Amino acid sequence: KQEVTQIPAALSVPEGENLVLNCSFTDSAIYNLQWFRQDPGKGLTSLLLIQSSQREQTSGRLNASLDKSSGRSTLYIAASQPGDSATYLCATLAWDAGNMLTFGGGTRLMVKP
Amino acid sequence: DVKVTQSSRYLVKRTGEKVFLECVQDMDHENMFWYRQDPGLGLRLIYFSYDVKMKEKGDIPEGYSVSREKKERFSLILESASTNQTSMYLCASSSGQDFTDTQYFGPGTRLTVL
Repeated sequence: KQEVTQIPAALSVPEGENLVLNCSFTDSAIYNLQWFRQDPGKGLTSLLLIQSSQREQTSGRLNASLDKSSGRSTLYIAASQPGDSATYLCATLAWDAGNMLTFGGGTRLMVKP
Repeated sequence: DVKVTQSSRYLVKRTGEKVFLECVQDMDHENMFWYRQDPGLGLRLIYFSYDVKMKEKGDIPEGYSVSREKKERFSLILESASTNQTSMYLCASSSGQDFTDTQYFGPGTRLTVL
């Protein structure tokens, strides 16, 4: 059964820092991996989706990479801003999970002004 | 832009009440999903539907049922609410027949059962 882990669970950085969020998964037979953002008390917003054949995806200051063989993905946030403060969730979509998303526990990010 | 709406942001109910959570999407998506999110347990899939009147159990269907009478609407029903169903409920939708497309989420309903 797919397990998705995100470390650290919480992270606090000063504004302007570049930072990396980590996601690891146990079953490398995934179709894709997705990063979401969740603001407190709100729903999820999709940030980036990486297909299994891709190595990375970029959107603005965000860059997500995927290494299937090692079961890892990273979300790189450049020049962090207080508005980036949120919980970031990764999720894999795998064949043996019936093509359903398996979510990590999330990393709660605080960017201090 | 895809829009997924949920009928209530906050809901307070009493033990034993029948509870309806409604979700509507405006993008003609085939697939709709209900999740619950709890601290330390993450998001867990309750039920999903891939077509009108079709439904499939997710990982934690016990104590819940669903209804999809129209393509745009997916309802989650708690037949007899219990305190352990206090949670954040999230609805999502996606297109395609193989569930591999991006899921778009609603704002969530925070349900408290007293």
